[in-house]
Amino acid sequence: GAVVSQHPSWVICKSGTSVKIECRSLDFQATTMFWYRQFPKQSLMLMATSNEGSKATYEQGVEKDKFLINHASLTLSTLTVTSAHPEDSSFYICSARKGTGGWYEQYFGPGTRLTVT
Amino acid sequence: EDQVTQSPEALRLQEGESSSLNCSYTVSGLRGLFWYRQDPGKGPEFLFTLYSAGEEKEKERLKATLTKKESFLHITAPKPEDSATYLCAVQAMETSGSRLTFGEGTQLTVNP
Repeated sequence: GAVVSQHPSWVICKSGTSVKIECRSLDFQATTMFWYRQFPKQSLMLMATSNEGSKATYEQGVEKDKFLINHASLTLSTLTVTSAHPEDSSFYICSARKGTGGWYEQYFGPGTRLTVT
Repeated sequence: EDQVTQSPEALRLQEGESSSLNCSYTVSGLRGLFWYRQDPGKGPEFLFTLYSAGEEKEKERLKATLTKKESFLHITAPKPEDSATYLCAVQAMETSGSRLTFGEGTQLTVNP
């Protein structure tokens, strides 16, 4: 298997402030990481694909200036929610791709619960 | 557009009552099909990757199979600890960046 960690596991912040979430692959290197958002009773919604050393690719409808992604190393990607508002409250999950070429597995972190008051 | 449909949405079983979950998919060309288990308030846990029709993989009480149009997750003699939401996802050949398309999941409850 493979282990992906996220920090923090939960965070409460005030409206208008920024929050940074870290995603780390602990026992493998990941050139590609992904950020998802999940609402209660719903499936995962891909927000962006993060590639080490290059700009993230955002899905349609996701504001890149609001959700800043930095993939600074082969084991770390960060998601910063800028000027957070209550509607940004959600469960954010990252995943990391292990493997190369067409044969790979994607492992998920435990998620970060964000509540904006 | 890639599509993944999982059925049933919810399934209740008695402990020991075997059953199957279905994942139907439409992609232009399948690179891989993935099964995950997700417990409430946690990230998905990787179970299997299947790459070609006819492939099967097993892990404890779970067995995943793949055809050209669908995948099944067979649960043999389930236990209460198997209760979770099971997610299916596909990656298409033409997909850039390895992105996955997820189904809505099947919520499994196993009663003791």
